[in-house]
Amino acid sequence: GAVVSQHPSWVICKSGTSVKIECRSLDFQATTMFWYRQFPKQSLMLMATSNEGSKATYEQGVEKDKFLINHASLTLSTLTVTSAHPEDSSFYICSAISGGREETQYFGPGTRLLVL
Amino acid sequence: GQNIDQPTEMTATEGAIVQINCTYQTSGFNGLFWYQQHAGEAPTFLSYNVLDGLEEKGRFSSFLSRSKGYSYLLLKELQMKDSASYLCAVMDSNYQLIWGAGTKLIIKP
Repeated sequence: GAVVSQHPSWVICKSGTSVKIECRSLDFQATTMFWYRQFPKQSLMLMATSNEGSKATYEQGVEKDKFLINHASLTLSTLTVTSAHPEDSSFYICSAISGGREETQYFGPGTRLLVL
Repeated sequence: GQNIDQPTEMTATEGAIVQINCTYQTSGFNGLFWYQQHAGEAPTFLSYNVLDGLEEKGRFSSFLSRSKGYSYLLLKELQMKDSASYLCAVMDSNYQLIWGAGTKLIIKP
């Protein structure tokens, strides 16, 4: 079945540095990818919707200059957390929608970010 | 490999009870999540089980058997608004989420 991967799985960084997280659809082309943030035992909070070749659509309250999203190809979207601070520590999850007759949303395994 | 299995689609009647099963094979286990997702919306957290047994929360209950690699989500007194996809996800030994493909639940009047 379709698989979505994320890299890295874990990242620990110092405050003020930038971190890039990759989301890849491994065996399908994803016209749309989503980026979520999850706090422990809580719902996934949609941060932005990313469409290949166009600018991402950010949800209200999400700073687009801080969370840079680039959907460079139909199989890759990246989320860059710029000038990360401890409050950005979280579990970031991406998902991708496969096209075709029946759109299906597939979720990635998540990337755990810890900012010191 | 790691995998999560859940039925693709289920149909139930308003007011009835439905049980959505989830079986898993993962490298390690750090808990199992159930989410509800309405079309076009982000998944909403329903439950988290890490110990064997039944967790009840209002109309929704979730059960876990670690030895059997099995969980179910039980929905009682079904309402039309319960029509949604229900996602089972397991956190493995690396604290990565392994996702099921989701069960689309259709509620009929």
